[in-house]
Amino acid sequence: DAGVIQSPRHEVTEMGQEVTLRCKPISGHNSLFWYRQTMMRGLELLIYFNNNVPIDDSGMPEDRFSAKMPNASFSTLKIQPSEPRDSAVYFCATNTRYNEQFFGPGTRLTVL
Amino acid sequence: GESVGLHLPTLSVQEGDNSIINCAYSNSASDYFIWYKQESGKGPQFIIDIRSNMDKRQGQRVTVLLNKTVKHLSLQIAATQPGDSAVYFCAETQGAQKLVFGQGTRLTINP
Repeated sequence: DAGVIQSPRHEVTEMGQEVTLRCKPISGHNSLFWYRQTMMRGLELLIYFNNNVPIDDSGMPEDRFSAKMPNASFSTLKIQPSEPRDSAVYFCATNTRYNEQFFGPGTRLTVL
Repeated sequence: GESVGLHLPTLSVQEGDNSIINCAYSNSASDYFIWYKQESGKGPQFIIDIRSNMDKRQGQRVTVLLNKTVKHLSLQIAATQPGDSAVYFCAETQGAQKLVFGQGTRLTINP
């Protein structure tokens, strides 16, 4: 199994641009989580899905952030418009219920 | 617990010694706890987990202890190796869904 796949691994963009981060979960995992990691705030849960349905998006910072899971094998996290304070590493993680979450390698986002 | 700032607690041990990393969790209703290891440039990697109906669980070279009375979790690593150098996070959750991560502890193994 290839594990959780995230793309791109690195993204550098300018303030105001749209950014789309992608995640392919482990096959058979029905829950998917988006996290953000910064030095100041550590690992924060942004949103999670069960069976492709968003369950809790209370961690999404503001309306500029949106996430979708159109099917069981793909999810996106979009930031529009991006701002320098969005610079962070964004992780996707997946699991089956009552088991540990497996994390992807992350996308390092830099907004100039 | 929540991450509160820039500086991670650090622990330095000699190669071959045992290390103990501690974590205080916040929610007495949490029923599942996980330790993750994060190496530089990588995502958190599962080490070991424990459910609230247990107070100890052992893996290969690692042991997790859970004290629900004082809401304390610890990770013991036996005979540390250079590859154990990383940041270690505890996480608490109800039903393995909404994980809440601690701030992390940076473990450095000295040769």
